[in-house]
Amino acid sequence: KAGVTQTPRYLIKTRGQQVTLSCSPISGHRSVSWYQQTPGQGLQFLFEYFSETQRNKGNFPGRFSGRQFSNSRSEMNVSTLELGDSALYLCASSPGGQLEKLFFGSGTQLSVL
Amino acid sequence: SQQGEEDPQALSIQEGENATMNCSYKTSINNLQWYRQNSGRGLVHLILIRSNEREKHSGRLRVTLDTSKKSSSLLITASRAADTASYFCAPSNDYKLSFGAGTTVTVRA
Repeated sequence: KAGVTQTPRYLIKTRGQQVTLSCSPISGHRSVSWYQQTPGQGLQFLFEYFSETQRNKGNFPGRFSGRQFSNSRSEMNVSTLELGDSALYLCASSPGGQLEKLFFGSGTQLSVL
Repeated sequence: SQQGEEDPQALSIQEGENATMNCSYKTSINNLQWYRQNSGRGLVHLILIRSNEREKHSGRLRVTLDTSKKSSSLLITASRAADTASYFCAPSNDYKLSFGAGTTVTVRA
């Protein structure tokens, strides 16, 4: 079974631009969670989707948004990028309703210049 | 907040020694999970302990949970160089796992 796939692996953007990151969960998994990881803040929860519905979201500004498609693939979008958005963005999938084990992708390393 | 907080921040041990790290959290949970991360890559699930369990074992890993103190511990016995990584606890509730900053473990040969 293929693991969680995140694309692209690396991304360089400039301030003010927007970016879309993609996540393909493990086949059959219906939950997708997104995290931002920075050296100073650790892993911060962004949002979680299950069957195309956002069930929970973290404390991030509205510039951060996400969605999930009917095939469980998910995207997250960051608009009006700021230098502080530079981070490793991790996506994780889980089989069902309860988050009893997350399977993580390798992440997208975003650098904002 | 629900976020787990690991202690210590860093740990350096000799190969063969045991490594213990602790986790505290603030709200009620359904379960608590531990993950490992190597060199900024994706996290790998190690073990899950439910709120009604007190101790769980998996290979060289032993996890305890004390819901009255809102704390958990992870013990890695007979450490190996391959155990060098960052370890995170994640209290789980309301469709959300909240990770802390992690404990960085270095195993010296």
